[in-house]
Amino acid sequence: AQRVTQPEKLLSVFKGAPVELKCNYSYSGSPELFWYVQYSRQRLQLLLRHISRESIKGFTADLNKGETSFHLKKPFAQEEDSAMYYCALLTGGGNKLTFGTGTQLKVEL
Amino acid sequence: NAGVTQTPKFQVLKTGQSMTLQCAQDMNHEYMSWYRQDPGMGLRLIHYSVGAGITDQGEVPNGYNVSRSTTEDFPLRLLSAAPSQTSVYFCASSSAAETQYFGPGTRLLVL
Repeated sequence: AQRVTQPEKLLSVFKGAPVELKCNYSYSGSPELFWYVQYSRQRLQLLLRHISRESIKGFTADLNKGETSFHLKKPFAQEEDSAMYYCALLTGGGNKLTFGTGTQLKVEL
Repeated sequence: NAGVTQTPKFQVLKTGQSMTLQCAQDMNHEYMSWYRQDPGMGLRLIHYSVGAGITDQGEVPNGYNVSRSTTEDFPLRLLSAAPSQTSVYFCASSSAAETQYFGPGTRLLVL
């Protein structure tokens, strides 16, 4: 069965420090992975998807099939990065997403 | 384009009451989904639709009904509300294998 694991409920870093939000997945098919971000009391919005191989707001994520990981990274955290981050896996027909439990990122001054 | 809209924003129900959460999109997306968001559990899929007239169950469908009579609308019905259904509900829409766009959410409190 498909599963997405985000081991950290809360990650606290100082402004300017590097950030890495961990995501591991379990899926028998060819994975298609996403990172969604939810700022306080707002709707979820796409941050990036692995097939795009792009950097959004300074964030990058590389799919590592050997380690079944899709960690989100940013070299220098900014205060406005504070938000809830969800890793998600596209599973089966119907464009269904399986989400991880989310990591709350808090960037402190 | 308004994107994905949801009404109401907030609702309080008593146990046993029924209600419908509305979701509409104006992007002509064929796929629509309902998720519930609970602390420590992320988002879980309730029901989804791949087109008008076609719906299917997700991970946590019990206690909820859906229908898709038009491409634009995908209402979620709570048949007999229970406290366990207290949650934030998000509707999402997308084209095939493309980014899902989420609505602003409905906060539901069942007493």
